[in-house]
Amino acid sequence: DTAVSQTPKYLVTQMGNDKSIKCEQNLGHDTMYWYKQDSKKFLKIMFSYNNKELIINETVPNRFSPKSPDKAHLNLHINSLELGDSAVYFCASSLNMGTAEAFFGQGTRLTVV
Amino acid sequence: GNSVTQMEGPVTLSEEAFLTINCTYTATGYPSLFWYVQYPGEGLQLLLKATKADDKGSNKGFEATYRKETTSFHLEKGSVQVSDSAVYFCVPSGGSYIPTFGRGTSLIVHP
Repeated sequence: DTAVSQTPKYLVTQMGNDKSIKCEQNLGHDTMYWYKQDSKKFLKIMFSYNNKELIINETVPNRFSPKSPDKAHLNLHINSLELGDSAVYFCASSLNMGTAEAFFGQGTRLTVV
Repeated sequence: GNSVTQMEGPVTLSEEAFLTINCTYTATGYPSLFWYVQYPGEGLQLLLKATKADDKGSNKGFEATYRKETTSFHLEKGSVQVSDSAVYFCVPSGGSYIPTFGRGTSLIVHP
């Protein structure tokens, strides 16, 4: 069983489109995250949710909207996609806040053309 | 907040060479310390960790010792393999800290 699974693995789309990436964890963790990794491998936190509540919202354009229907799921919706949104997006979870022991999904490579 | 300074890569080695990737941390209190590894095309995975001073974390031939006196958690391996080529991230934990990974250090091992 995959602990943290995200879909799709690859996503190619045109500028201006709206797309979603889904994430699910079966570890019973309270805290989930979205990270963005650029082409130079810099991994930056975007959002953090704890028990379905938004905790961290870094300086991310409001075209990005996370949604957590329950604490096992944290989806990422992106409106009006731009070329600069092309990156690999990672979902992760941890038992609770305050630990850096996190479990990662396999990533979603988003390419905006 | 807690933070780390990690050596810039890429680190390029020949197979069977000795590896050191330096990591020093700045923290209030005594955080747990983690090394993560990201193999090409994959997500990050925890490689090893240490929760208190003088603890040594080890896994897959890699080791790191939590040194409070030098605020360091350097990653070492005695003999690297091509399959160790990856990006390595040093991460401190503690408090309400959100895991911050930064750029990591890329390791390239040649046959």
